[in-house]
Amino acid sequence: DGGITQSPKYLFRKEGQNVTLSCEQNLNHDAMYWYRQDPGQGLRLIYYSQIVNDFQKGDIAEGYSVSREKKESFPLTVTSAQKNPTAFYLCASSPGISTEAFFGQGTRLTVV
Amino acid sequence: QKEVEQDPGPLSVPEGAIVSLNCTYSNSAFQYFMWYRQYSRKGPELLMYTYSSGNKEDGRFTAQVDKSSKYISLFIRDSQPSDSATYLCAMTHLANQAGTALIFGKGTTLSVSS
Repeated sequence: DGGITQSPKYLFRKEGQNVTLSCEQNLNHDAMYWYRQDPGQGLRLIYYSQIVNDFQKGDIAEGYSVSREKKESFPLTVTSAQKNPTAFYLCASSPGISTEAFFGQGTRLTVV
Repeated sequence: QKEVEQDPGPLSVPEGAIVSLNCTYSNSAFQYFMWYRQYSRKGPELLMYTYSSGNKEDGRFTAQVDKSSKYISLFIRDSQPSDSATYLCAMTHLANQAGTALIFGKGTTLSVSS
């Protein structure tokens, strides 16, 4: 089955800790994205990558970091510098930039 | 003014009704328009994808784009309880040949009662 796999589905983090959210796709898509979704806020872009070993900041990149060492993988690290990390995180991929994107099922991160 | 505006609702309709969902936008460069459906605690699912102005139909769903008014719509005919979800509009454009990621509206929550 082709698709986008995010793991874990639920993640709990203590304040001051870094955590990494996994995103893997087997669609052979060049572009990958991370969005954050808060109630009433819609989807806000954190980072995106058009190609391996290249990525750009989105609208709310502060406190987050990413890497794109393989075409299939685009992990997101939520660092301790992110002041309000509790949210629903969505990873997506597309054949290229400015085309339709396909989403994973999300990771719900809660800071405890 | 936000780039993409979408009425969050909630919108409640009886089964069988025609539903109209809308978004307005400010950036005239947007060329690609999408509608996503998101069930609670799930990732968004692509429903419709259109390029530039015009209509596109897929089963009970019709997407309309009016670039002159910077206005897009999604119509759902014969609505079903399974259509109860949040509907997100999204759009993007080609900029300096590099393109941009999708810009989303905040989503409209729809409830269809049987």
